Amino acid sequence: AQTVTQSQPEMSVQEAETVTLSCTYDTSENNYYLFWYKQPPSRQMILVIRQEAYKQQNATENRFSVNFQKAAKSFSLKISDSQLGDTAMYFCAFMKQSNTGKLIFGQGTTLQVKP
Amino acid sequence: IAGITQAPTSQILAAGRRMTLRCTQDMRHNAMYWYRQDLGLGLRLIHYSNTAGTTGKGEVPDGYSVSRANTDDFPLTLASAVPSQTSVYFCASSPQFAITYGYTFGSGTRLTVV
Repeated sequence: AQTVTQSQPEMSVQEAETVTLSCTYDTSENNYYLFWYKQPPSRQMILVIRQEAYKQQNATENRFSVNFQKAAKSFSLKISDSQLGDTAMYFCAFMKQSNTGKLIFGQGTTLQVKP
Repeated sequence: IAGITQAPTSQILAAGRRMTLRCTQDMRHNAMYWYRQDLGLGLRLIHYSNTAGTTGKGEVPDGYSVSRANTDDFPLTLASAVPSQTSVYFCASSPQFAITYGYTFGSGTRLTVV
């Protein structure tokens, strides 16, 4: 069975600085997908970034980028130029290549951006 | 606005009572999911459905049931609520052809069982 681990329950960063959130996963699959979701205080789940395991290039979406290390089964999220609106809980998630589309989530990391 | 509607937004429920959480989507997505969110545990899959008429069990299905009579609706029923079912419940959906692109989530239902 696949598992996803986020070992940092809480983190903080000063506005405009860079922060990295860690995520590791365990799987025997070769083809899979990894995601980072953001959950602000509004409780809405928002997709931040997605990575396909067969792609070596790290995904990037504006200020958000990932460091995908397939051999190490690591998938960290880097937020550059942090903004107050980035304050949220962040979830790492795994989906194996299948037709059921089940997402397996990590425990979450609460990020606070300080002014 | 296209998306997922969950109802109620929040509910306090007496233990032993029956409760149905409603989930409706207007995007014609084939796949739908129910998750519960608990602090320190993240989101855990309760039940899922890949198409109308079919359902499957997730990681934590005990005490919950679902049905999928049509494409749009995917209700979650607690037959006899217990305090350990206090949680925030999220419904999500995805089109089958883009299932690896992640989900659209509803805004959640906060359920407190007392």
